[in-house]
Amino acid sequence: NAGVTQTPKFRILKIGQSMTLQCTQDMNHNYMYWYRQDPGMGLKLIYYSVGAGITDKGEVPNGYNVSRSTTEDFPLRLELAAPSQTSVYFCASSWSGLNEQFFGPGTRLTVL
Amino acid sequence: GQQVMQIPQYQHVQEGEDFTTYCNSSTTLSNIQWYKQRPGGHPVFLIQLVKSGEVKKQKRLTFQFGEAKKNSSLHITATQTTDVGTYFCAGPQAGTALIFGKGTTLSVSS
Repeated sequence: NAGVTQTPKFRILKIGQSMTLQCTQDMNHNYMYWYRQDPGMGLKLIYYSVGAGITDKGEVPNGYNVSRSTTEDFPLRLELAAPSQTSVYFCASSWSGLNEQFFGPGTRLTVL
Repeated sequence: GQQVMQIPQYQHVQEGEDFTTYCNSSTTLSNIQWYKQRPGGHPVFLIQLVKSGEVKKQKRLTFQFGEAKKNSSLHITATQTTDVGTYFCAGPQAGTALIFGKGTTLSVSS
């Protein structure tokens, strides 16, 4: 099993550009999550999904969108990139909201 | 809203010294989880505590869940350079997502 995979690993965007961060898991987990991590600030939840077709906002959803058309995939969309979105983005998955989460390797995004 | 706080934010120790990080929640938790993130890496699950007063050990790591299920601690005995990283605690929010503390970053000099 590959676990949770994320692409790309690194990306530099210009202000106003858009992009999609990809996340795929092969563990048949119902729950999937997107976090951003800024230095010294821990992990902040952007969006999460409890199953295909169901998504909900986390603590910092502004400027992002998600979709969950399959159990395996949970892409994160940035429509108009801003410097404040410079961060490391982690995708994670779990069996339920109470179980351990498995994290992907992360995407390091810089917006200039 | 629910908050999970960790102290200290940073800790530097000499190899062989002990290390402890503390986690406090503003609300009672159904469980608490601990994760470790190596520099440049991603968070990796270490353990989950569920019962009030529970103590679990993993080699040199000892995890404790408070009696009131609002606090927890992670103690590392005789630190090694391989223990370097950031340790996060996390508690479930409404059973759908985890609230992470800001983490304690441990550095170890040999």
